[in-house]
Amino acid sequence: EVQLVESGGGLVQPGGSLRLSCAASGFTFSSYWMHWVRQAPGKGLVWVSRINSDGSSTSYADSVKGRFTISRDNAKNTLYLQMNSLRAEDTAVYYCARDVRQWLATYFDYWGQGTLVTVSS
Amino acid sequence: DIQMTQSPSSLSASVGDRVTITCQASQDISNYLNWYQQKPGKAPKLLIYDASNLETGVPSRFSGSGSGTDFTFTISSLQPEDIATYYCQQYVFFGQGTRLEIK
Repeated sequence: EVQLVESGGGLVQPGGSLRLSCAASGFTFSSYWMHWVRQAPGKGLVWVSRINSDGSSTSYADSVKGRFTISRDNAKNTLYLQMNSLRAEDTAVYYCARDVRQWLATYFDYWGQGTLVTVSS
Repeated sequence: DIQMTQSPSSLSASVGDRVTITCQASQDISNYLNWYQQKPGKAPKLLIYDASNLETGVPSRFSGSGSGTDFTFTISSLQPEDIATYYCQQYVFFGQGTRLEIK
């Protein structure tokens, strides 16, 4: 059974840092691109970042570029999101999601349960 | 960037009703359009991919159609468990969501 389990969320002050993890199981993690998608309270889904299967290529939404870093450890079947210089507007539930096909034709077939990040003083 | 515009933003319907949601892309995306269901407090769930393909295990009352820039998502007979917010998606671009309520 495919499972994605996020962790690492919590309360952090503006300007602070947090690292999210997404532990994958039930599939060959190293074969799939992965994404982070976030959802602010009461709002819609917003894509954050993407990483290819071996970690050599990454992409970011403009709103997080230069502050967030996506990475992965295929030996540990784990996806990460390092979040620095956090702002109040980064407050959201963060989901990891599995990318089925890559690029324009893709879709996300499995999602984690989400981890809540709250940025507040 | 591609803009995905969903309508309506909210919808109230009765059990058994046929429900339709539309999604318009700002440019031609062929049939690369997906639909997700999100229930309160839960992660999104893939329902339809490539505009019209039903994900395994998804009830057949859900369907999708369209190509190019205009797409439609339909629930043929609304059930109480279908209460959720529905999102269209193309690659990394999501529509703003349609909240579906029972009348």
